[in-house]
Amino acid sequence: TQLLEQSPQFLSIQEGENLTVYCNSSSVFSSLQWYRQEPGEGPVLLVTVVTGGEVKKLKRLTFQFGDARKDSSLHITAAQPGDTGLYLCAGASGGSYIPTFGRGTSLIVHP
Amino acid sequence: NAGVTQTPKFRILKIGQSMTLQCTQDMNHNYMYWYRQDPGMGLKLIYYSVGAGITDKGEVPNGYNVSRSTTEDFPLRLLSAAPSQTSVYFCASILSDSAFRALHFGNGTRLTVT
Repeated sequence: TQLLEQSPQFLSIQEGENLTVYCNSSSVFSSLQWYRQEPGEGPVLLVTVVTGGEVKKLKRLTFQFGDARKDSSLHITAAQPGDTGLYLCAGASGGSYIPTFGRGTSLIVHP
Repeated sequence: NAGVTQTPKFRILKIGQSMTLQCTQDMNHNYMYWYRQDPGMGLKLIYYSVGAGITDKGEVPNGYNVSRSTTEDFPLRLLSAAPSQTSVYFCASILSDSAFRALHFGNGTRLTVT
């Protein structure tokens, strides 16, 4: 079983602060996705990274895939209350459509 | 499009009762999944299906059953409810034409077993 370790599990910060969430594994993934989940809803895809060393930006969010494709990070610049939610990473190997999910990082941004 | 629709949104069961969680998608996706989500534990795969008539176990299948008679529907059955099955259940789907597509999730069913 492939495992994805996410850290930290909880983050409580003030509006305007920066933060980084990490997703690590001992396994190699062919693709890694980040989802955000708001209370009472299902997760929604933020980004997919597929190339080792790849960096993708989505407004104030920056996603990085490690060179060895075993880890990823999500950096949020100048966090806003609207960023509050549960952030989940999910990895898939080879041609699999059965992703493995991390335990999630619960983020609260206080105004 | 409605996407992935789950019913009911909430349910309370007594120990030993059975029930079916409904999931339907209108995107003609071939893969469908059932996950359970417990606080701090992420998403655990219960069962999945790669197409009509084909199902397979995930990580935590005990106490559950599924069927996939059509592309659209993927119901999850709880055979005899136990307190350990108190959780939020999510159905998801994907079209397997690309490894990089997003899973589409429903909004979940919150189940309490007392």
